[in-house]
Amino acid sequence: DADVTQTPRNRITKTGKRIMLECSQTKGHDRMYWYRQDPGLGLRLIYYSFDVKDINKGEISDGYSVSRQAQAKFSLSLESAIPNQTALYFCATSDLRDSWEQFFGPGTRLTVL
Amino acid sequence: AQSVSQHNHHVILSEAASLELGCNYSYGGTVNLFWYVQYPGQHLQLLLKYFSGDPLVKGIKGFEAEFIKSKFSFNLRKPSVQWSDTAEYFCAVNARNTDKLIFGTGTRLQVFP
Repeated sequence: DADVTQTPRNRITKTGKRIMLECSQTKGHDRMYWYRQDPGLGLRLIYYSFDVKDINKGEISDGYSVSRQAQAKFSLSLESAIPNQTALYFCATSDLRDSWEQFFGPGTRLTVL
Repeated sequence: AQSVSQHNHHVILSEAASLELGCNYSYGGTVNLFWYVQYPGQHLQLLLKYFSGDPLVKGIKGFEAEFIKSKFSFNLRKPSVQWSDTAEYFCAVNARNTDKLIFGTGTRLQVFP
């Protein structure tokens, strides 16, 4: 079984809709991250969380919000989706026990029409 | 602010050719360095990492990278590429006093038989 899972894997939605992307992990890691990937721009950090009570903005947090429901779950929400949020979204986890290497989920491809 | 530059955006090689992908970072302090690979349709996987010690690091699938501190570089190399190496390659850096990864924009490698 995959250590980091994301649902859904693909989603097509319309402008203005609220969307939630979910991430779960079985690695027991404290730290979780949300990135978006755009062609030619690499991965950019949206939000990150060092534990359940800790949420931090990344470099491109506008238009997004997150919730850390438990150590194993970290959700990303788009309150009112817009077309330029069309991208591939990755969740990742890390922990001191794994020397802070980040482990990535399979990604969610989101299309906003 | 930290940044990571990957100057080769798209590299096309024939099988058995040698590969070197450039990665330069801007940060004056101690860093951890990573190369990740993303095969078509898949999530990011760690190729290799450097934390300390021998600046020549060997990773999976015959890849290696050399950390040259004076040049702020961490170039990825492989003596003889295979068609299965076709993928996108990302260099990433984090400063020792944080664990946020800063990614380069990626290099797309295409290997033809």
